[in-house]
Amino acid sequence: LAKTTQPISMDSYEGQEVNITCSHNNIATNDYITWYQQFPSQGPRFIIQGYKTKVTNEVASLFIPADRKSSTLSLPRVSLSDTAVYYCLVGDTRAGNMLTFGGGTRLMVKP
Amino acid sequence: DAGITQSPRYKITETGRQVTLMCHQTWSHSYMFWYRQDLGHGLRLIYYSAAADITDKGEVPDGYVVSRSKTENFPLTLESATRSQTSVYFCASKSVNEQFFGPGTRLTVL
Repeated sequence: LAKTTQPISMDSYEGQEVNITCSHNNIATNDYITWYQQFPSQGPRFIIQGYKTKVTNEVASLFIPADRKSSTLSLPRVSLSDTAVYYCLVGDTRAGNMLTFGGGTRLMVKP
Repeated sequence: DAGITQSPRYKITETGRQVTLMCHQTWSHSYMFWYRQDLGHGLRLIYYSAAADITDKGEVPDGYVVSRSKTENFPLTLESATRSQTSVYFCASKSVNEQFFGPGTRLTVL
């Protein structure tokens, strides 16, 4: 299983763009990069998934360099409601292989 | 309603007792998972199932038993609960590339 490393915590202010970087040096050819968001007392929720280059949806963007050894989740213009823990997962999700969540990044958005 | 549900939402039990946590999903997803999340930490995979009657161990399976006789149900049993199993337990099912999580069961073992 590819091991991921991400910052334990980050602080930001409302309206700012937040970038959370995840390192995954031993990512395999068939692995995808997936990000989940978890609010207190709730289960994680899927945010975005990508394989290479850039993926964008209505919530976030995911930037993946050519070597795929890292990825960056970008949250545009965060609000207080974006305060949550963000998890980076790497694995062959289409094969159903088990994924490791790790500790995640605790994002605190301040007014 | 479509989705994934867990019961009970809260449970207090005593050391040595058997406890079963229920998980039900309405999508007919093949894959289902059980995770535990200790206070202030990430999720750790206990067991997962690729289909009915197919289960496999995750990172922390000791002290837990699972079964999956029907696609939609994936119960988790603590055969003899210990205090170290006090945690929040999340069940999930998986579509092609996304896991959907239940609301969680908060279990306290006294």
